[in-house]
Amino acid sequence: EAGVAQSPRYKIIEKRQSVAFWCNPISGHATLYWYQQILGQGPKLLIQFQNNGVVDDSQLPKDRFSAERLKGVDSTLKIQPAKLEDSAVYLCASSLDLLAGRTGELFFGEGSRLTVL
Amino acid sequence: AQSVAQPEDQVNVAEGNPLTVKCTYSVSGNPYLFWYVQYPNRGLQFLLKYITGDNLVKGSYGFEAEFNKSQTSFHLKKPSALVSDSALYFCAVRENQGGKLIFGQGTELSVKP
Repeated sequence: EAGVAQSPRYKIIEKRQSVAFWCNPISGHATLYWYQQILGQGPKLLIQFQNNGVVDDSQLPKDRFSAERLKGVDSTLKIQPAKLEDSAVYLCASSLDLLAGRTGELFFGEGSRLTVL
Repeated sequence: AQSVAQPEDQVNVAEGNPLTVKCTYSVSGNPYLFWYVQYPNRGLQFLLKYITGDNLVKGSYGFEAEFNKSQTSFHLKKPSALVSDSALYFCAVRENQGGKLIFGQGTELSVKP
């Protein structure tokens, strides 16, 4: 079974530039999550989708971050314009559904490491 | 509000010795508790969970964790550490009525030969 795929693995940009990250969850997984992991900290949820609808985006900085999952499968997270403090690893995760996500494991991709100079 | 704390940034043990990685939590209702492991440049991998039932839960790679409601703790344990267990370990909690999965800041485990 293929895991959660993310790209690019690494990205270096200058502040005020834009960047986009892509995630393809495990086939059949309805729930998709984007987490931000800053060095030395645990992952923090940015946004959660159920199919193509947003379940929780309360911690997404909406003035600069946006995310979509138009067809309920793969997803894109965009940052525009980037700030120095956005330097982090952006992790995508998926679960079979909301209940599975609450009581069971999330399946994580390898992450996209962003460095903002 | 939910929170989780891992009081040790780093734990060092010798190969073959038992290991413990500590985790304490705070939730309003009953907790759902999880441990994840992260190897360098990799995503998080699920180790084990406590939802309900037996306070001692067993997970992947010989790890186990004990849920202690009175101490609000969920410490990760392994009877005999391996060098390959060296990684970053995250405890996470979710309130059973919903809410986000909140991760601790992580504990780096180093197992020396």
